[in-house]
Amino acid sequence: DTAVSQTPKYLVTQMGNDKSIKCEQNLGHDTMYWYKQDSKKFLKIMFSYNNKELIINETVPNRFSPKSPDKAHLNLHINSLELGDSAVYFCASSQHPNSYEQYFGPGTRLTVT
Amino acid sequence: EDKVVQSPLSLVVHEGDTVTLNCSYEVTNFRSLLWYKQEKKAPTFLFMLTSSGIEKKSGRLSSILDKKELFSILNITATQTGDSAVYLCAVPIQGAQKLVFGQGTRLTINP
Repeated sequence: DTAVSQTPKYLVTQMGNDKSIKCEQNLGHDTMYWYKQDSKKFLKIMFSYNNKELIINETVPNRFSPKSPDKAHLNLHINSLELGDSAVYFCASSQHPNSYEQYFGPGTRLTVT
Repeated sequence: EDKVVQSPLSLVVHEGDTVTLNCSYEVTNFRSLLWYKQEKKAPTFLFMLTSSGIEKKSGRLSSILDKKELFSILNITATQTGDSAVYLCAVPIQGAQKLVFGQGTRLTINP
């Protein structure tokens, strides 16, 4: 029973394409996050949603558009992919916005060629 | 700007050794500090520290926070090859809505 799941696990695509990554959590949490981990292993928050509402948007290019159809799902759509978008993208969830403990998904390794 | 800095960035030791990983922070309205272990995939939660001087322990791992000097250490005794991972330190800011991570310490345990 995976708590936070992401699909796909690997994504290889060409520059200029549009792609989506999906995330689902079955923990009953209210808050979900997208993080980007670059080649130097720095984890940086991109977006946070609480109960389907956007609460954090960390100066991410507007080619990145998150969507939360319900509080158990947070998807990330990326338009016009660039080489610099290559990274591992992690989804996470927490019980509510003020919960310090976050649970991470397995990550999606995106490679843009 | 809120900042979390870990050291060393990389550490290679032999099985059985004891290691100490460091995390220093500069954040406004500090409330807690978290340690995560990242093996091949998702970071997994290890400890949350909120009070200064109180050690948290889980098996061979222990951690302590010094709020006066603004740092935390993570100790691993009698290391095993399964301890090889990247250890991440994080501090919640903006009312815990955002985790700021350090760059991680890559620990390699050789048999």
